[in-house]
Amino acid sequence: DQQVKQNSPSLSVQEGRISILNCDYTNSMFDYFLWYKKYPAEGPTFLISISSIKDKNEDGRFTVFLNKSAKHLSLHIVPSQPGDSAVYFCAAVISSGSARQLTFGSGTQLTVLP
Amino acid sequence: GAVVSQHPSRVICKSGTSVKIECRSLDFQATTMFWYRQFPKQSLMLMATSNEGSKATYEQGVEKDKFLINHASLTLSTLTVTSAHPEDSSFYICSAPDLIYGYTFGSGTRLTVV
Repeated sequence: DQQVKQNSPSLSVQEGRISILNCDYTNSMFDYFLWYKKYPAEGPTFLISISSIKDKNEDGRFTVFLNKSAKHLSLHIVPSQPGDSAVYFCAAVISSGSARQLTFGSGTQLTVLP
Repeated sequence: GAVVSQHPSRVICKSGTSVKIECRSLDFQATTMFWYRQFPKQSLMLMATSNEGSKATYEQGVEKDKFLINHASLTLSTLTVTSAHPEDSSFYICSAPDLIYGYTFGSGTRLTVV
């Protein structure tokens, strides 16, 4: 039972354009969401997060949107740069849970073409 | 920022031998450490949660006797893959929660069992 889903395994965009990565979740108990960037053979690097009390969080070129009613979040990267090419994972957590472990989506490989 | 140092980054071992992976929190105390496993082009799957001074909690389907986890101090957690087999070849990553909702990942260990 995949509670966090990233239905697009890959995405290619042109440099300078917007990249939109999508994520859906099924567990309504999730109240905090994070996006990570990962290069091969490295650990994930935190990008941006959003609490369920917000619908948007922005940090530089990265913006995360949350639609609670649709149980959907998206990461927008604009403008996209070749260095953004990596696998992007969304993750969710139940902040009130005792363990607070992250549940990850399957990732989306983003390729930014020069 | 918070750093989790994971060693080794890459290890090749013979089938039947054991391999130990270490994760150290360098500038914060990690009372909890999450251990993940990632197969190629797949998500990070939580294997177990280790807690300092107590027994680890394993996810369903993860063999406790095969993946030994020790969390003897607030800065060190280890995962030992015992009697390794080729199907154990994978990318193993640790992660520790720091501050509030922050999760710091190790750089990962690529295990290849031949």
